[in-house]
Amino acid sequence: AQSVTQLDSHVSVSEGTPVLLRCNYSSSYSPSLFWYVQHPNKGLQLLLKYTSAATLVKGINGFEAEFKKSETSFHLTKPSAHMSDAAEYFCVVARGSTLGRLYFGRGTQLTVWP
Amino acid sequence: GAVVSQHPSRVICKSGTSVKIECRSLDFQATTMFWYRQFPKQSLMLMATSNEGSKATYEQGVEKDKFLINHASLTLSTLTVTSAHPEDSSFYICSAMLDRGYTGELFFGEGSRLTVL
Repeated sequence: AQSVTQLDSHVSVSEGTPVLLRCNYSSSYSPSLFWYVQHPNKGLQLLLKYTSAATLVKGINGFEAEFKKSETSFHLTKPSAHMSDAAEYFCVVARGSTLGRLYFGRGTQLTVWP
Repeated sequence: GAVVSQHPSRVICKSGTSVKIECRSLDFQATTMFWYRQFPKQSLMLMATSNEGSKATYEQGVEKDKFLINHASLTLSTLTVTSAHPEDSSFYICSAMLDRGYTGELFFGEGSRLTVL
């Protein structure tokens, strides 16, 4: 069965400093992995996805993630945080071959200090 | 981009009543939609896969008679919480898949918050 583990429930950074949100996955085969962001009172937005192409995936708003099979990790990074990045971030894995059947991690709340 | 709309965004009902939540794909057709629920401060949990013109597929542990799903058209799926109780209070989110072969894109609605008194 596929699953993901987000290692931090809360991450706080200062504006302009790097962001690292950690995610490890468990899958019996090559997984499809995603990062979604949820702002308060707004719908989920896809940041980026990995579907067995390039291991370094670039997403929207300057975010990127690297798929590391040897470490079973898919950490999300951004070189410089903005205040608008404050939100809940979910690492997600697709269950089986249907991309819409998703298993969400517990989420990481990102706080950005001025 | 593609838009998925949910209605109502908030609903309060009395215990024992039924509540219907609609999920519409506004500018594309979706043969497959998905329903999730999210408890406060927790992650999203997949409830079921809604297939146009056929029965929904429920995840393990989800009561199909409690959460009725109907996908009568290519742009509308409904979730009916029957005989709702306070423990059904939650944030319900739908998503719709824009078919693009294997790498279909998924779009989420903004969610519907159900409060059962």
